Amino acid sequence: GENVEQHPSTLSVQEGDSAVIKCTYSDSASNYFPWYKQELGKRPQLIIDIRSNVGEKKDQRIAVTLNKTAKHFSLHITETQPEDSAVYFCAASSTGGYQKVTFGTGTKLQVIP
Amino acid sequence: GAVVSQHPSRVICKSGTSVKIECRSLDFQATTMFWYRQFPKQSLMLMATSNEGSKATYEQGVEKDKFLINHASLTLSTLTVTSAHPEDSSFYICSARGGAAQETQYFGPGTRLLVL
Repeated sequence: GENVEQHPSTLSVQEGDSAVIKCTYSDSASNYFPWYKQELGKRPQLIIDIRSNVGEKKDQRIAVTLNKTAKHFSLHITETQPEDSAVYFCAASSTGGYQKVTFGTGTKLQVIP
Repeated sequence: GAVVSQHPSRVICKSGTSVKIECRSLDFQATTMFWYRQFPKQSLMLMATSNEGSKATYEQGVEKDKFLINHASLTLSTLTVTSAHPEDSSFYICSARGGAAQETQYFGPGTRLLVL
């Protein structure tokens, strides 16, 4: 089955700096890679996703890159703000049918004002 | 769009009782629903995958007789924790997939279960 590794487990940045979270996956059949943000005690919220037919996707301060050859993908948050503080999960799955999503172990991001 | 509700949000029960948690997709038909368990400061652990009208598929190590899952309609799945024990105390989250973006999972708000 799919195995997703995520690094770092914790990340502290100064407000305004950039944050990068990296994930690797094992199953070459995976072609859908969502990122979720989870605040304490709340549900995971989808913040961005990327499919394997593109290498990069941006949405305002958030961007995700995908390297299919190396089987790794990264989340980039620029101009971080205190409200970006949360736990971020990467995930991987293959589309079609009833494929399940495999989650990374999470990165706790702390943005220091 | 893509709203998933979960009920109850919190439940406290005595050891040995059963607890039912409901997961509903409010504005789309969920062909597949997933049940996760999350321990403090840990990732989401998939317990089972539930497809409407068929038996749930349980992950290795998850007791299907302990965690009963029913997906009776395209908008409702239930998880029943039978004969709950303190070690079953956890945060249970459902997610649903379906609608226009078939790959995306939308999560419910979670249910915090405390078994005394």
